[in-house]
Amino acid sequence: QSALTQPASVSGSPGQSITISCTGTSSDIGGYNYVSWYQQHPGQAPKLMIYDVNHRPSGVSNRFSGSKSGNTASLTISGLQAEDEAHYYCSSYTSTSTLGVFGGGTKLTVL
Amino acid sequence: EVQLVESGGGLAQPGGSLRLSCAASGFTFSSYWMSWVRQAPGKGLEWVGIIRQDEVENYHVDSVKGRFTNSRDNAKNSLFLQMNSLRVEDTAVYYCARVVSEYWGDWYFDLWGRGTLVIVSS
Repeated sequence: QSALTQPASVSGSPGQSITISCTGTSSDIGGYNYVSWYQQHPGQAPKLMIYDVNHRPSGVSNRFSGSKSGNTASLTISGLQAEDEAHYYCSSYTSTSTLGVFGGGTKLTVL
Repeated sequence: EVQLVESGGGLAQPGGSLRLSCAASGFTFSSYWMSWVRQAPGKGLEWVGIIRQDEVENYHVDSVKGRFTNSRDNAKNSLFLQMNSLRVEDTAVYYCARVVSEYWGDWYFDLWGRGTLVIVSS
């Protein structure tokens, strides 16, 4: 069982917005602004989409945004496009381990 | 081109060993923490280990402690993962990843390799 909890799947139609949640505890998400999000298409390596809760790396579309409230972080994708269909993983530092933890992943389906 | 290329995966028997390598190019390898992340077939991502530039700080997830060891050779721009006492549950794609780290714990992976598949089976 993953340390961070994500919904197994979410879906949306092209042009719509969706939000993926990532719930942890005060030892990880709630205690630190060290949340990152990764996109993974089938058969490919993950790609960094958001770091430090709400920062976008150069080259990532501004349709992707991150936020955090308490022990829950969120990834919002606006103006859904077919190419956004992928798995998304959150990650956070945790004080209970010397390493970080990932969420179990969310499969985004663009209808 | 900035890239990471893993090698060394394959089939191993339970209790056996493998050594994974990751060749870095296009950036100053010695300036970065590096990490291994694995993904079991059809499953999510899992941190395996992380190593500082000078190897002074070198950590592994509990499930591999005492069996796996990170190391690096900055002169050869290479990262390694020595995997001993392999178990069936170690079967996964192993990714090498570059770590961006400004503060302790503020770790995120901004560059990934394509991965190398390790299968542990009798």
